[in-house]
Amino acid sequence: EAGVVQSPRYKIIEKKQPVAFWCNPISGHNTLYWYLQNLGQGPELLIRYENEEAVDDSQLPKDRFSAERLKGVDSTLKIQPAELGDSAVYLCASSRGPGEQFFGPGTRLTVL
Amino acid sequence: EDQVTQSPEALRLQEGESSSLNCSYTVSGLRGLFWYRQDPGKGPEFLFTLYSAGEEKEKERLKATLTKKESFLHITAPKPEDSATYLCAASIQGAQKLVFGQGTRLTINP
Repeated sequence: EAGVVQSPRYKIIEKKQPVAFWCNPISGHNTLYWYLQNLGQGPELLIRYENEEAVDDSQLPKDRFSAERLKGVDSTLKIQPAELGDSAVYLCASSRGPGEQFFGPGTRLTVL
Repeated sequence: EDQVTQSPEALRLQEGESSSLNCSYTVSGLRGLFWYRQDPGKGPEFLFTLYSAGEEKEKERLKATLTKKESFLHITAPKPEDSATYLCAASIQGAQKLVFGQGTRLTINP
């Protein structure tokens, strides 16, 4: 069974530029999560999708962050414009309902 | 506020030296307690889920236990390949989200 796929693995951008991350979850997993992980910290939830519906986006900074999950499969997380403090690892995870969450390798974002 | 705290932040052991990692949680309602392993540059890898106090689960040299306030990850006779950051996370009832601790960075010296 293929795992969660994320791209790109690394991204370096100038501040104020836009950036987008893509995630393809494990086949059959209807729940998709985006997490942010700062160095030396545990992941923090940004948004959770049940199929194509965002059911928990309370921690998503909506002034600059947006996400979508068209057709309830893969998902895109966007930042526009990026700030220096957005440098972090962005993790995508998926699960079959409320079960164990399986994580992708993450995208390491560096904002200069 | 739901909170998960892990200790120690870092632990260095000699190969074969057994020890335990601690995960304390204060949450409104625990649905489950998860343990993950994270290697540098990779995403967290699922290890265990514990659902009720007194429950124990084992995998190779690892054993996870759960009480009403904390969970332990016991590592028996560790090997250098067990070196990683170990994360615990509490799943909150009704919220279907994981609240993670900051992790314990474990180093096993040969």
